[in-house]
Amino acid sequence: AQSVTQLDSQVPVFEEAPVELRCNYSSSVSVYLFWYVQYPNQGLQLLLKYLSGSTLVKSINGFEAEFNKSQTSFHLRKPSVHISDTAEYFCAVKKAKAAGNKLTFGGGTRVLVKP
Amino acid sequence: ETGVTQSPTHLIKTRGQQVTLRCSSQSGHNTVSWYQQALGQGPQFIFQYYREEENGRGNFPPRFSGLQFPNYSSELNVNALELDDSALYLCASSSLQGANGTQYFGPGTRLLVL
Repeated sequence: AQSVTQLDSQVPVFEEAPVELRCNYSSSVSVYLFWYVQYPNQGLQLLLKYLSGSTLVKSINGFEAEFNKSQTSFHLRKPSVHISDTAEYFCAVKKAKAAGNKLTFGGGTRVLVKP
Repeated sequence: ETGVTQSPTHLIKTRGQQVTLRCSSQSGHNTVSWYQQALGQGPQFIFQYYREEENGRGNFPPRFSGLQFPNYSSELNVNALELDDSALYLCASSSLQGANGTQYFGPGTRLLVL
């Protein structure tokens, strides 16, 4: 079975400051990794994903995450946040090459960007 | 491409009642998964449907059941509602081909059980 731990439940940060959201996972098999964002009263939106290849993946809105197999981590970073980045962020894993699409999520990290 | 849609957006039921939630998949997607997101927690996998058959289930009791229709839309049915069933129910669609696991979520149905 897989499990995901998001080490910070809440991260307050000032506008234009950098932010890092930590994600560690546990799995006995290879996994794909995902970050989803959930804005207030909305569903989940895919932010970025790691399937294979380069361990550094980037989103179109300035977020990036790095897959570290030895540390079983997939931390999310943004060098300069905006007020609009206020949301909850979920890290998730899925068994690689599995027929099903079951995602296992962490508990989420709430980011509050302050002016 | 049309996105994933869910109905209703909000629902209030009383303990012991039954509820049906609906989901329309994103165009071209043949797999639907359902998740339960309790307040302050991450989503939990309920089950997945592919070609109208359940092909994966999480740790949920049998009173949680589902259907997938030929047009790939889906329903989640919950019988004998309990207070702990209060949550946001999310539907996600994907293409099973390639199985890279990228799922696209709908806005959710918020269920309150009184």
